[in-house]
Amino acid sequence: EDKVVQSPLSLVVHEGDTVTLNCSYEVTNFRSLLWYKQEKKAPTFLFMLTSSGIEKKSGRLSSILDKKELFSILNITATQTGDSAVYLCAVNFPGNTDKLIFGTGTRLQVFP
Amino acid sequence: SQTIHQWPATLVQPVGSPLSLECTVEGTSNPNLYWYRQAAGRGLQLLFYSVGIGQISSEVPQNLSASRPQDRQFILSSKKLLLSDSGFYLCAWSGLAANEETQYFGPGTRLLVL
Repeated sequence: EDKVVQSPLSLVVHEGDTVTLNCSYEVTNFRSLLWYKQEKKAPTFLFMLTSSGIEKKSGRLSSILDKKELFSILNITATQTGDSAVYLCAVNFPGNTDKLIFGTGTRLQVFP
Repeated sequence: SQTIHQWPATLVQPVGSPLSLECTVEGTSNPNLYWYRQAAGRGLQLLFYSVGIGQISSEVPQNLSASRPQDRQFILSSKKLLLSDSGFYLCAWSGLAANEETQYFGPGTRLLVL
C-alpha cells in the first residue's frame, strides 16, 4: 500500500531555532514529492522535488530529496512565530491524473 | 493568474440534510480538479478527481458524490449527511497553466454535522 509518513507529529521550538521535518514514503511509482504549509486554511505550496540531492531553497526554508532512501527533509532556519503551521508532505505518482498521497503532517509551533 | 474559490466558508448542517459545496477556478482552462477531506488531526484524503467535464473518479466509497457541470466548476454533494461527514473540505486544481504536477488549493469549507 502506498503511504507517506511524516515525523515528528508535533514540534515546539523557540524563535531562532532551526528545525528539520522528515518525510518518508513508500510508493510503487514515484514522480515527485511536494511540501505544503497549512496555517488556518488552505495548504500553500512550498517546494516540488523530483531529483535526488538537489536542494530547493526559498529564504529560510530549504528541502532535499533522497530517492534511494525514499525520504525528504524540510529545514527551517532562524524560525519565527510566523512559521507556526502544519507542514504537509505529499507524493505524486503517475497515472491518469496527478494524484497526491499526503502524510498526516507535522505541527510546528514557534514561541517567542 | 489563476484563482480558486470555494463556498461556503463554514457550514453547520443537521444529520440527514443535503449538502452542496461549490468550487470554481479562474484563469485556466481544462484543469484537473480534486476534492479532499481533512478530518481533525489527520492528513488530506482524496475523495474525487476530475480530468474533464462530466468525468468523475471516486477514490473511496462514501456518502458523497461529485459533479463537474462546467470546465471550471466542481461540486461536492450529499443527499443525506452523516455525523462522520464533518471535516474540512478542500478543492484543488492542477494543470498546464502552472506546474502540472503541483496542486493548488482553495480556501476550504469547514463542515460540521450535528
